[in-house]
This record gives sequence, C-alpha cells and structure tokens, in this order.
Amino acid sequence: DIVMTQSPDSLAVSLGERATINCKSSQRVLYSSNNKNSLAWYQQKPGQPPKVLIYWASTRESGVPDRFSGSGSGTDFTLTISSLQAEDVAVYFCQQYYTTPWTFGQGTKVEIK
Amino acid sequence: QVQLQQSGPGLVMPSQTLSLTCAISGDSVSSNIATWNWIRQSPSRGLEWLGRTYYRSKWFSDYAVSVQSRITVNPDTSKNQFSLQLNSVTPEDTAVYYCARRGASFYFDYWGQGTLVTVSS
Repeated sequence: DIVMTQSPDSLAVSLGERATINCKSSQRVLYSSNNKNSLAWYQQKPGQPPKVLIYWASTRESGVPDRFSGSGSGTDFTLTISSLQAEDVAVYFCQQYYTTPWTFGQGTKVEIK
Repeated sequence: QVQLQQSGPGLVMPSQTLSLTCAISGDSVSSNIATWNWIRQSPSRGLEWLGRTYYRSKWFSDYAVSVQSRITVNPDTSKNQFSLQLNSVTPEDTAVYYCARRGASFYFDYWGQGTLVTVSS
C-alpha cells in the first residue's frame, strides 16, 4: 500500500496569513497517461464529508477559492492557503488515487491563531 | 448534479452484519466511467477505503485487504444504488461510513452524507 504522511498534524495561523500543509507519499504517484501526479487534497468540516479542493496535485476544483493552491512532484506535495480566512478552519487530507487501495493522509487540523 | 443518499442502521450488534445502501441521483450505477466506493472514518484508523463496484461491460468489485474476507459491495441497477455488507463486525468497525463516487478524473468527487455506525451490544 502507498502510505501518505502529512505534516504537521495541526497548525494555527493568523487570519490573512499563509498556511502550508505537506504530504509525502511512500512511492511516486505519477500517472503516465497524462504525466500528472495522482494526488488530491480534501477539506473536511465537522459533521460533513470531505470536499475536494485540488486534484492532479495542482488543479483547483471548480468553485474553490484561488487562495487554495497545490504543488509538488515526485513524492512530496504541498497545499497552500495563501491568506487564511475564518471559513478555512477545517481538517485537510491528501489522498493518492494512483493505485488501489486508495489511501489518505492522517489529516492536518487548521485553526486560527 | 450528482447526489448520494445513504441509508441504514446506526447501531449493529457485535458479530452481526453491517448493511448500508447508497442511492444515486444524477448518474448511473452502471456508468462506464465512474466507480462506486465505500470509505469509513474513525479516530483510530483515519479515512480508510473499503471497497468498490463498477461496470465495464460486466460488473467488478474489489476490496481492501483489511476487510476482504468480510465485505461485499453490490450494485442494484433496478434502484440505481449500491450497498455495503460487512460481516462479523466488532467494536473496531465503529466508524462513520461514507459512500463516494470516483469520477472521470479519478478522485472522489461526490460523497454521501455519512452514517455513524456503532458496534455495540
């Protein structure tokens, strides 16, 4: 199985400041058919299912604010919230969809400082 | 717009069978593009993919190794839904269970609302 490891487990950021979450996969997740990394980022708020923010490591889902961005390659990926808003308080997960079993990171809780 | 509506009991006795259903609107369980998945979430195990069913000229199902001896995911084309059965449950199976669609871009793009299933006597 591909193990997804996120860091940090939690972080507190002031409103308007940048939040950065890292995700490391235990092996490469590059999909050869389109030369893109099979990596998605989800946001989960209490009592709700996860909601996709980013797919193919850097493609923003329709309707997602542009303060959310994804980057990375190889086995190291990053989700950046450029200017944290109150509504961004949530838990964020990375997920690889390169091969079954599909696996998720353990989650990073983002709070307001 | 795709919607997934889950139903099923929230309490299951130990050693019994957990059964949940996910009704699909806005897509077809017989889609040649999507796959239909069950995922659970617990504090101890995080988000864990359990299994899927999908149609590619015929029906396929495959499962996580951790549950493969106890799980069945089946389509129901007459009702446009799919189901999860998990046998011989223990308290470790207590979790929020989600159904989810894996769409054309391969990530989980639509999720059910989640069902908290507690395994307890």
